[in-house]
Amino acid sequence: DGGITQSPKYLFRKEGQNVTLSCEQNLNHDAMYWYRQDPGQGLRLIYYSQIVNDFQKGDIAEGYSVSREKKESFPLTVTSAQKNPTAFYLCASTETGAKNIQYFGAGTRLSVL
Amino acid sequence: GDSVTQMEGPVTLSEEAFLTINCTYTATGYPSLFWYVQYPGEGLQLLLKATKADDKGSNKGFEATYRKETTSFHLEKGSVQVSDSAVYFCALTGNAGKSTFGDGTTLTVKP
Repeated sequence: DGGITQSPKYLFRKEGQNVTLSCEQNLNHDAMYWYRQDPGQGLRLIYYSQIVNDFQKGDIAEGYSVSREKKESFPLTVTSAQKNPTAFYLCASTETGAKNIQYFGAGTRLSVL
Repeated sequence: GDSVTQMEGPVTLSEEAFLTINCTYTATGYPSLFWYVQYPGEGLQLLLKATKADDKGSNKGFEATYRKETTSFHLEKGSVQVSDSAVYFCALTGNAGKSTFGDGTTLTVKP
């Protein structure tokens, strides 16, 4: 079945540690996105990538980094510079072009120890 | 920039009641409009969409009509079920291909 796989489902970060969230898709989509969801709030865009080896900052990129070395993969690193990382992180992808449906993974819940 | 404003929740209804969740938007050009649903601990799933004015999206008994004159895309269902309990997000994708989401409305349906 085609879809988006996020791992791990739960992740814990210690003070000063960088952690990486995995996002893999087999939908052959060009564009991929990372969102942060806080309780009772909507989704806020962290980073997005429309093609391999290219990505742009979203609305809340500070403290995060990404790479897009392969079409299928778009990992997100939460760095120690992100002082409030506890949230639900969602990865999504769309087909090339504007105005298309976003397909979401099941999410990773990150907590701070 | 683009924005989406949803009716504040939470919304609690009895089974078989009528549901309306209001959504209005601000965007330049002609965005596509979407409703997504999120069940506990999961990602978002597309519920329905509309890509131009006066289009009606529908799925699983839910409907929403793209009203350009009122910049609205209200979600409706004639008879809700307990299984409809979830968080509902209104969203738009603008001309630049970027998506904007509302804050979500939590629906609880009681038997």
